[in-house]
Amino acid sequence: DAGVTQSPTHLIKTRGQQVTLRCSPKSGHDTVSWYQQALGQGPQFIFQYYEEEERQRGNFPDRFSGHQFPNYSSELNVNALLLGDSALYLCASSWAGMYNEQFFGPGTRLTVL
Amino acid sequence: AQSVSQHNHHVILSEAASLELGCNYSYGGTVNLFWYVQYPGQHLQLLLKYFSGDPLVKGIKGFEAEFIKSKFSFNLRKPSVQWSDTAEYFCAVSAPRLYSGAGSYQLTFGKGTKLSVIP
Repeated sequence: DAGVTQSPTHLIKTRGQQVTLRCSPKSGHDTVSWYQQALGQGPQFIFQYYEEEERQRGNFPDRFSGHQFPNYSSELNVNALLLGDSALYLCASSWAGMYNEQFFGPGTRLTVL
Repeated sequence: AQSVSQHNHHVILSEAASLELGCNYSYGGTVNLFWYVQYPGQHLQLLLKYFSGDPLVKGIKGFEAEFIKSKFSFNLRKPSVQWSDTAEYFCAVSAPRLYSGAGSYQLTFGKGTKLSVIP
């Protein structure tokens, strides 16, 4: 059983560009959460998708947007990239419900030059 | 909003030493508490969690944590560490009051503690 997968593994962009990161949840999971982990920091919640809708959002600007597809996979889009967007972007999947474990993927390392 | 503080940035221990990693959270309501571990080159994985009941929680690989509500703390312990425990450890909290009833909870993480165990 494949766990949470993310693509690409690494990405280098320049300021002002746009980027799309992808996440495939663990088999059967219907909820996807995205986190940003800057160097030396813990993961910070960006937003969460369930039933193809954004359900919760952290303190991130509108430049960060996402999507969930009918097969539960998800994309994270970041527009007008800033140097400060350089980070590891983590995807976590779970079954819906307050007590179900979130399983994390390996992350996508984004570098903005 | 909730926040999590992990007081130790880097802890270095010899094998067989006892471990205690501090975690304090700031939130006025009911919380769920978690410890995650990230071994070198691996994904974040859940070590243990507390939702309710016995405040002493046992997790995988001999780890345990104690929830002390009056101190807003959830410290991680292990009586005897091994070289294989070398990893980064993250404390996290979720607030049930913020759960919308759809999807899952959102986690607020601390900055992490890097543990190095010397053989």
